[in-house]
Amino acid sequence: EVQLVESGGGLVQPGGSLRLSCAASGFTFSNYEMSWVRQAPGKGLEWVSFISSSGSTIYYADSVKGRFTISRDNAKNSLFLQMNSLRAEDTAVYYCARDRLAGRGVFDSWGQGTLVTVSS
Amino acid sequence: DIQMTQSPSSLSASVGDRVTITCRASQGISNSLAWYQEKPGIVPKLLLYAASRLESGVPPRFSGSGSGTDYSLTISSLQPEDFATYYCQQYYNMPWTFGQGTKVEIK
Repeated sequence: EVQLVESGGGLVQPGGSLRLSCAASGFTFSNYEMSWVRQAPGKGLEWVSFISSSGSTIYYADSVKGRFTISRDNAKNSLFLQMNSLRAEDTAVYYCARDRLAGRGVFDSWGQGTLVTVSS
Repeated sequence: DIQMTQSPSSLSASVGDRVTITCRASQGISNSLAWYQEKPGIVPKLLLYAASRLESGVPPRFSGSGSGTDYSLTISSLQPEDFATYYCQQYYNMPWTFGQGTKVEIK
């Protein structure tokens, strides 16, 4: 069974940093491209960042470019999101999502999400 | 960025009703469209991709159609477990973008 388990969320002050992790199991993690998608309270879904299976190709939404860094450790079946210079508008549930095999940009499995709250 | 506009934003329907949700892209997306279902406390679930391809395990009462800029999701006979919020998403161009969601409520 595919499992994606996020961790690392919490309350942080504006300007602060957090590092989110996503532990993957039940599939060959190194074969899959991965993304982070977020959902602000009461709002819709917003794609945040993408990383290819090898980590060689990375994309970011403009809203986080220069502040967030996506990475992965295929040996440890883990995905990460380093978030710096956090703003109130970054408050959201952050999901790691698996890109469908041979279907970049289609998310066929999602973690349960981790809540990031940016507030003083 | 490609803007995705769903309509309606919400709808009320009864069990057994046929329900259609539309999604319009601000430019052509060549069928690079997915639909997701989200229920409170449950992670989003992929229903369809490539505009009309049903994800494995999704009941056939869900179907998708469309081309160019205009797409739709149809539930042929609404079931109690289908009351949820539905999102379309384009993956034709970066950044991948979602519609604002359509909440399907019980009449």
